[in-house]
Amino acid sequence: GDSVTQMEGPVTLSEEAFLTINCTYTATGYPSLFWYVQYPGEGLQLLLKATKADDKGSNKGFEATYRKETTSFHLEKGSVQVSDSAVYFCALHTNAGKSTFGDGTTLTVKP
Amino acid sequence: DTGVSQDPRHKITKRGQNVTFRCDPISEHNRLYWYRQTLGQGPEFLTYFQNEAQLEKSRLLSDRFSAERPKGSFSTLEIQRTEQGDSAMYLCASSFSQVNTGELFFGEGSRLTVL
Repeated sequence: GDSVTQMEGPVTLSEEAFLTINCTYTATGYPSLFWYVQYPGEGLQLLLKATKADDKGSNKGFEATYRKETTSFHLEKGSVQVSDSAVYFCALHTNAGKSTFGDGTTLTVKP
Repeated sequence: DTGVSQDPRHKITKRGQNVTFRCDPISEHNRLYWYRQTLGQGPEFLTYFQNEAQLEKSRLLSDRFSAERPKGSFSTLEIQRTEQGDSAMYLCASSFSQVNTGELFFGEGSRLTVL
């Protein structure tokens, strides 16, 4: 079945540090790939997405590139801020209609 | 605000009782999903509807769980004879299948605590 594997957390960084959160997936067909973010006390919300191979999704300074050859969708940001502290979930969505999520990576950014 | 709303936000119950959660999706969305999330885990798929039809149900889902979406708008998730292992956050999400990018819009969840 479909699965998503995220790097284990938690991740603690200083402000302005570079962030990478690794995500790899297993799926039949050609899924769409997503990063969702959950800020403290809030629901999950979409951060960025890519719907086909080599697409790059970007939002709020975060980027991720859909790599079909390595089945990966790693999340990166060049300079994190305290306000980026949250839980980040990698997910895939197939034509079957449902999404599969990773277990999440907790990011804490210290001033 | 016309986002996904869930009710109640928190439910505490005793083992063996039945509980029901309600989800109101974004009005123009025809797909509605239920997920379960426990601490330290990602959302786990339970079931989803397109309009009023339940298209898929997780094989891991106990028969004590049932979901309905009778008029293709709001949905209910009922858990019968609750067990302590049912304690979790129950998430509802909706989407518009015609766009079909797979983006889900989540509610804030209903937290269940079974004593």
